[in-house]
Amino acid sequence: AQSVTQPDIHITVSEGASLELRCNYSYGATPYLFWYVQSPGQGLQLLLKYFSGDTLVQGIKGFEAEFKRSQSSFNLRKPSVHWSDAAEYFCAVGAAAAGNKLTFGGGTRVLVKP
Amino acid sequence: EAGVAQSPRYKIIEKRQSVAFWCNPISGHATLYWYQQILGQGPKLLIQFQNNGVVDDSQLPKDRFSAERLKGVDSTLKIQPAKLEDSAVYLCASSLGHSETYEQYFGPGTRLTVT
Repeated sequence: AQSVTQPDIHITVSEGASLELRCNYSYGATPYLFWYVQSPGQGLQLLLKYFSGDTLVQGIKGFEAEFKRSQSSFNLRKPSVHWSDAAEYFCAVGAAAAGNKLTFGGGTRVLVKP
Repeated sequence: EAGVAQSPRYKIIEKRQSVAFWCNPISGHATLYWYQQILGQGPKLLIQFQNNGVVDDSQLPKDRFSAERLKGVDSTLKIQPAKLEDSAVYLCASSLGHSETYEQYFGPGTRLTVT
């Protein structure tokens, strides 16, 4: 069975500073990896996804993530955060054999200081 | 295009009462998902439909939870009787199909409080 760990529950970052959110997964085969963002009172919005190919993937809102198979990681980065990036971020792993079933991590809440 | 619609947005009930949530997926989306998101945790899949058939309900507490998707469009999720630990946000999502290449689109959720 697949699982996802997001080690950081909360991260506080200053506006304009860089941001990196960690994600580690466990899955026996090639994973399909996703990052979602959830703003207060909103549903989840897909930021980016990795299926295969280039291990550095670009997403919306200036986010990127890098897949590292040797470390079982899929960390999310943004070079310069904006106040509007304050939200909760979820990493998820999908399994082809499981019909698009997603397993989510516990989430990382990002606070942005002015 | 319209997104995934859910109602109600908020619901407060007492334990042992029943409650139902409604979801209208994006038009043309064959696959529909219900997730439970407990405060401080990531969403957990409860049930997945492909058209009006169940693909996965392995994590649905079937003694109290039920779901249906009549005619392969709208879906309802019911809890009867509710317990305190059912307090959570219930998210509905839909996708074109059940392949992992299809993006899941999420609704705003229904926040349930059981007192």
